[in-house]
Amino acid sequence: GAVVSQHPSRVICKSGTSVKIECRSLDFQATTMFWYRQFPKQSLMLMATSNEGSKATYEQGVEKDKFLINHASLTLSTLTVTSAHPEDSSFYICSARTGLHNEQFFGPGTRLTVL
Amino acid sequence: AQSVTQPDIHITVSEGASLELRCNYSYGATPYLFWYVQSPGQGLQLLLKYFSGDTLVQGIKGFEAEFKRSQSSFNLRKPSVHWSDAAEYFCAVGAAGNTPLVFGKGTRLSVIA
Repeated sequence: GAVVSQHPSRVICKSGTSVKIECRSLDFQATTMFWYRQFPKQSLMLMATSNEGSKATYEQGVEKDKFLINHASLTLSTLTVTSAHPEDSSFYICSARTGLHNEQFFGPGTRLTVL
Repeated sequence: AQSVTQPDIHITVSEGASLELRCNYSYGATPYLFWYVQSPGQGLQLLLKYFSGDTLVQGIKGFEAEFKRSQSSFNLRKPSVHWSDAAEYFCAVGAAGNTPLVFGKGTRLSVIA
C-alpha cells in the first residue's frame, strides 16, 4: 500500500515552455502533498505544501508564479513549471502524507531538463 | 526549529560488515523520526519509522534504528551489509499536524567487495 506515482519520469523541454508534472496517490487519499526539488548529490529542498481544495503554501524563495501547484482532488497534485529556463533543470519529487503520524510516501521523481 | 544532522557525508563499508549511520535531531517535543533510502535517479523509500513505544524499531531490508532521547539520536543499523544497500540514506523528523518533514543532508553509502 501507500504508493505514489509521478508522471512523467523524465522530460526534456525548450527554454520558455511550460511543463506539468503529475503526482498521484494510487491507493490512498492524501489531503496534503509536498513538492521537493533535489540537486545532484544534495538533500531534498521543500518547495511547497499542496493542500486539497486550497492554495499551496510556498517556502521562502520559491516563486509561486513560476511553480504553479494545483491539488484538485484527494489523489492528484500537479506542479507546472512555467516559462522554464535551464536553471530550472532538476529532479522534482512529490510526496503524499497519510496517517496520524505524518508519514510521507514519495513518488519516483521527475527529471526535468531545460535546453 | 526542527533540524536534522547527519554527520557523515559518505561512508564506505565492506560487504558483510555491520553498518551504523548516525542521525541527530533537534526538536522541542517528542518527534516522529524516519529513515529513507534513495537509489540513484529514484524517489525515496521509507525504511522505518518511530512514533512512540519501543525505542528499537525494525524496518525493511534488515535495517533497524534506535531512538535515544537522551542523545537526541536515531541511528540506523544493519548487521550485515549487502552490495545492493549502496544508496543515499536520509534521516527525517516530523511532527503531528500539517507540517512537512525536515530532512538531513543525507549519507551516501558505498559497499565494497
